[in-house]
Amino acid sequence: NAGVTQTPKFQVLKTGQSMTLQCAQDMNHEYMSWYRQDPGMGLRLIHYSVGAGITDQGEVPNGYNVSRSTTEDFPLRLLSAAPSQTSVYFCASSLARVGYEQYFGPGTRLTVT
Amino acid sequence: AQSVAQPEDQVNVAEGNPLTVKCTYSVSGNPYLFWYVQYPNRGLQFLLKYITGDNLVKGSYGFEAEFNKSQTSFHLKKPSALVSDSALYFCAVRDRSYNTDKLIFGTGTRLQVFP
Repeated sequence: NAGVTQTPKFQVLKTGQSMTLQCAQDMNHEYMSWYRQDPGMGLRLIHYSVGAGITDQGEVPNGYNVSRSTTEDFPLRLLSAAPSQTSVYFCASSLARVGYEQYFGPGTRLTVT
Repeated sequence: AQSVAQPEDQVNVAEGNPLTVKCTYSVSGNPYLFWYVQYPNRGLQFLLKYITGDNLVKGSYGFEAEFNKSQTSFHLKKPSALVSDSALYFCAVRDRSYNTDKLIFGTGTRLQVFP
């Protein structure tokens, strides 16, 4: 099992550019989520999905889109990057809803200039 | 709203001494509580959780946590700290309010264990 994988590991964008952060898991987990981690603020939930075809907003969804066409993949799209989106992004998955242990990917460090 | 607080940004402890990392919570209903650890340049790793049952929960790497309903606390403990325990620790609580189901994380506590 590869667990939760994220690509790329590092990315630098210019303001206004768009990009997609990839997340995949091979554990057949139903629940997947995206967080951003900023110093002094812990982890904040961006979007989450309870299964293929179902997504919902978290605490800080503005500027981000997600889709879940398969159980395995949960990409995060930045529509028009802004410096405020400079952060470390983590994808996580769990067997079902959050009562279960979440498995985290290694993260993507994004810088927007 | 459901929330969790970690009152200490950093905890320093000497190797071999007991350690405590504090967490308090605010939820309606019965809480689901979690501890995660993050080593440098890595994703978070699950340590332990409390859902129901015994108030003392044992987890990975010799860590345990005590659920205290009257004090709304879920402190992480270890009897004898190791230098390798130095990391960032996050407490989290399940939020099932307003038709949602997600984890709310605290701001994290950096544990530094000195040789």
